[in-house]
Amino acid sequence: DSGVTQTPKHLITATGQRVTLRCSPRSGDLSVYWYQQSLDQGLQFLIHYYNGEERAKGNILERFSAQQFPDLHSELNLSSLELGDSALYFCASTDNFNEQFFGPGTRLTVL
Amino acid sequence: GDSVTQMEGPVTLSEEAFLTINCTYTATGYPSLFWYVQYPGEGLQLLLKATKADDKGSNKGFEATYRKETTSFHLEKGSVQVSDSAVYFCALRRGDYNQGGKLIFGQGTELSVKP
Repeated sequence: DSGVTQTPKHLITATGQRVTLRCSPRSGDLSVYWYQQSLDQGLQFLIHYYNGEERAKGNILERFSAQQFPDLHSELNLSSLELGDSALYFCASTDNFNEQFFGPGTRLTVL
Repeated sequence: GDSVTQMEGPVTLSEEAFLTINCTYTATGYPSLFWYVQYPGEGLQLLLKATKADDKGSNKGFEATYRKETTSFHLEKGSVQVSDSAVYFCALRRGDYNQGGKLIFGQGTELSVKP
């Protein structure tokens, strides 16, 4: 158990819908990273938050957004969903610049 | 831009065989290098890491040496077990703070060990 929790574990929805994925980092970790794992793109960095502020963006679509709240949990919002958004979404946390601890992931299926 | 290339899988070995999974990288500066392992249905776990040239990371019988001259970080294990069956990811992290510490992953190599 990494100490990072993600909910829900599985999410099935339809095209055009909007979903929210939640991540709770390890106690004391200020940084949260979001990654997407798909068959065609592999594991890709989406976005990084540090203590409530966005620090870096990767290959994140404009339909996707994220935020980190004062209690340090983070949410990834995916809207206008397309079939190609089906993937595993991981978050990872770290205390600063050290090892990233990954959550178990949320499997999103868009039908 | 920065990238990581791993040997393609799946790799199928018999128990107690020697394992090598090749990994090469392209990056400016002096990145840190990592191997992560993903067991079926689980998230990624850090297997080992190396933060500078000639460093050797090791854990659970796995080893990898940071070779700057060949920009490589090959994963090795002398004798694999069935329980090592998983997907292995090589990754790098740039050292400069402005990159935010994001990990850049290779495509993953699936390892299957048969009894």
